[in-house]
Amino acid sequence: GQQVMQIPQYQHVQEGEDFTTYCNSSTTLSNIQWYKQRPGGHPVFLIQLVKSGEVKKQKRLTFQFGEAKKNSSLHITATQTTDVGTYFCAGSGGGNKLTFGTGTQLKVEL
Amino acid sequence: DVKVTQSSRYLVKRTGEKVFLECVQDMDHENMFWYRQDPGLGLRLIYFSYDVKMKEKGDIPEGYSVSREKKERFSLILESASTNQTSMYLCASSPSDPRTDTQYFGPGTRLTVL
Repeated sequence: GQQVMQIPQYQHVQEGEDFTTYCNSSTTLSNIQWYKQRPGGHPVFLIQLVKSGEVKKQKRLTFQFGEAKKNSSLHITATQTTDVGTYFCAGSGGGNKLTFGTGTQLKVEL
Repeated sequence: DVKVTQSSRYLVKRTGEKVFLECVQDMDHENMFWYRQDPGLGLRLIYFSYDVKMKEKGDIPEGYSVSREKKERFSLILESASTNQTSMYLCASSPSDPRTDTQYFGPGTRLTVL
């Protein structure tokens, strides 16, 4: 079945440093979604990428979808304490089901 | 705003008990999902349903069953709870339109099986 790997599993950064998490799928995806889960909370949708090579930005967050539609990345510029949480990618093979990555837990220290 | 609610935030049960976890969504979504979340393993799909009375197994269905008698409600059943089913259970719903198949999650139920 489809597998989605995500690295790193954990990342500690100082406030103001950049952060990147990477997502790799074993199969070609029709789209990829990113979710954020705050500590004690539930996953909340951030963005969806559909096109090969697509890049989308949300303020300090930059999302990329690879040319082969098998990998993706999320980059946060100048992290803030409000960025703390676990970031999940989730791949869609075309149906209504998503396969979630294992997540990257981000901690931001002052 | 889409609202997905789950019947309990915390639940403690004993080994062998039958456990019901309830999920209700108010956005008329066709699809509903049950996941369990464990440290280092991410979200793993247990079962999902794309219509009333329809269900499909996810990646880890063993030890679980589901029921969807009404569109807005999706129940997860642990027929005989075991300690290895101690976990965070998350319910989600999504519309069937593939252009907007974003999943909306409930707050989760943290189940402890003693």
